[in-house]
Amino acid sequence: SQQGEEDPQALSIQEGENATMNCSYKTSINNLQWYRQNSGRGLVHLILIRSNEREKHSGRLRVTLDTSKKSSSLLITASRAADTASYFCATPYSGGGADGLTFGKGTHLIIQP
Amino acid sequence: ETGVTQSPTHLIKTRGQQVTLRCSSQSGHNTVSWYQQALGQGPQFIFQYYREEENGRGNFPPRFSGLQFPNYSSELNVNALELDDSALYLCASSLRARNTDTQYFGPGTRLTVL
Repeated sequence: SQQGEEDPQALSIQEGENATMNCSYKTSINNLQWYRQNSGRGLVHLILIRSNEREKHSGRLRVTLDTSKKSSSLLITASRAADTASYFCATPYSGGGADGLTFGKGTHLIIQP
Repeated sequence: ETGVTQSPTHLIKTRGQQVTLRCSSQSGHNTVSWYQQALGQGPQFIFQYYREEENGRGNFPPRFSGLQFPNYSSELNVNALELDDSALYLCASSLRARNTDTQYFGPGTRLTVL
């Protein structure tokens, strides 16, 4: 089963605009990560935010985490065509003893020139 | 720093056959995780290997098995292939000693079962 669910499923914006995508999860976590995937290839780690953090920045990325609402958001500012990709939130796998990740279905972001 | 590599890139098998997928970890990493990603879905955790032993497993049947070798490379074996096994299989490596959940993914192997 998938722990995280991203919203919206798809997002299309103009180059230069900001893109915001959201993630909700079900169980308590100690961290949450965001990954990017281009055209069905491998995932690239973007940012990790720990449960005791509320906001984190990395370049044009801003991530927030609200543990009381079990939700996170990823903001990409000043979007570029190269940002076109699928974005996934990931939380630690909730099964016992494993250090794997649980992913949502992702948000497919299209940046139009 | 050498990234995660996977082989082969693409593979076509028929139902009932067996397949072996391979993964080389990023240099210095000691943990390997495998994921299955169906079209339009997020990756699903299959299992993880640490120090050559299975360290945890997702909701996958026993016909999905794996190995980790002393050089930390890994194999994913799937027996009695079914049509629903068609997917992108992703390998990810990490360094468990740092107590970090960040994983570094390979480009994946696209498996098609006919």
